Amino acid sequence: QKEVEQDPGPLSVPEGAIVSLNCTYSNSAFQYFMWYRQYSRKGPELLMYTYSSGNKEDGRFTAQVDKSSKYISLFIRDSQPSDSATYLCAMRKAGANNLFFGTGTRLTVIP
Amino acid sequence: EAQVTQNPRYLITVTGKKLTVTCSQNMNHEYMSWYRQDPGLGLRQIYYSMNVEVTDKGDVPEGYKVSRKEKRNFPLILESPSPNQTSLYFCASSLSRDEKLFFGSGTQLSVL
Repeated sequence: QKEVEQDPGPLSVPEGAIVSLNCTYSNSAFQYFMWYRQYSRKGPELLMYTYSSGNKEDGRFTAQVDKSSKYISLFIRDSQPSDSATYLCAMRKAGANNLFFGTGTRLTVIP
Repeated sequence: EAQVTQNPRYLITVTGKKLTVTCSQNMNHEYMSWYRQDPGLGLRQIYYSMNVEVTDKGDVPEGYKVSRKEKRNFPLILESPSPNQTSLYFCASSLSRDEKLFFGSGTQLSVL
């Protein structure tokens, strides 16, 4: 079993829709949770970074962490065609040096 | 412009021919790392470095070497490449392990 599971999609939504992206994990030692966005032929870029459980909002993006369920989510409000990309979740254990990534969900926002 | 620069972007080589992928960052970051990205497997860490002369293995270090002689550079060395090392490679850096990770644009390697 992989430590981090993520539905690869692909996911297609109309412009303006609310998008929900999710990851589950198996190791309760994960404490730091991140979402990266990766455009085609580019390196990932950090979107959201949260510690432990709770919500974090940044513009149209909201990250949620539910440690009791071992489940994290990224919500995108008022989705735009420029949001079309692959979204990767990542997480790290306290004191550890490496990140564990999900396989990514490919999102297309249709104008 | 703050960036992580990898070279080359594309590389085709043959089994057993030693190669080096260079990585350089201009942000004075202490932490640097190499990842490979494969379909269905996601990003997996190969090696990381906490500072000059301090390197350690990640999750998939077999067949790779690294060195960190200067703070800005972190080359990835494949002494004897094999076809199973065909992959998309990313270098990344951050101020420290806990800070935001900046990725390079990637190196697509094909080993025939």
